Amino acid sequence: GIQVEQSPPDLILQEGANSTLRCNFSDSVNNLQWFHQNPWGQLINLFYIPSGTKQNGRLSATTVATERYSLLYISSSQTTDSGVYFCAATTSGTYKYIFGTGTRLKVLA
Amino acid sequence: DVKVTQSSRYLVKRTGEKVFLECVQDMDHENMFWYRQDPGLGLRLIYFSYDVKMKEKGDIPEGYSVSREKKERFSLILESASTNQTSMYLCASTAGPNYGYTFGSGTRLTVV
Repeated sequence: GIQVEQSPPDLILQEGANSTLRCNFSDSVNNLQWFHQNPWGQLINLFYIPSGTKQNGRLSATTVATERYSLLYISSSQTTDSGVYFCAATTSGTYKYIFGTGTRLKVLA
Repeated sequence: DVKVTQSSRYLVKRTGEKVFLECVQDMDHENMFWYRQDPGLGLRLIYFSYDVKMKEKGDIPEGYSVSREKKERFSLILESASTNQTSMYLCASTAGPNYGYTFGSGTRLTVV
C-alpha cells in the first residue's frame, strides 16, 4: 500500500508567523485530504485536494500529484492553529485512506 | 454543516464486557467509518460501511464487529473488551469518494 510521510514532525511558531507543512506519498493517489486535530481531539477536515490549489482564509493547500506531494500553508498563525495536522491519501477504488503520522504545531502568543 | 455525533466522550469498561460505540450522522451520507487512534500508530481503519447492512473490514478488524441497520447510524461493537482496545475511537462519514470526511468528536475508551 501507499506510504504517507509528513514533515516536519514538530513545529513551534510565534503568533503571526507563516509555515509550510509537507506531505509526501509513495504512489499515485486519487484522493487526498488535510485535517486539523485540535487539543480536545476533534478532527476537522481542512481540504479535500487530490490536485491543484485551494484556499480557505489563512490556509491554503497545493497538491502536485505527478510529483507525489502536497503542501499546507498557514499564514499569520494564531494560537488556535495549535494542534496536529494530518494528511491522508488513498488510491483509486478504495476508501482506505492512509494517514500520515502528523505535524504537531504549537503557536506561541 | 454535517454533524457526526458519537454517543460518549469518555467510557470506562471492564475486561470481557461487550461494548457498543454509537455514531450518528445527519446528512444522509452513504459511507461511514470507524478508526482508532493510538500514540505512535496514528489513525487506523477498523471497519467501514458503504450502505445499510453493508460493511467491509479495514486494516485492524480483529476483536471488533459493526452494525448498520439504518443509514444514519453506524455502531462499533467490542465483543469482549480487552485492555489492548484502550484507545481513542473516531467515527467519520462522507458523501462519496470525491468528498472530504467529517469526523465525530471521538470516544476515549479505557478498558480496565
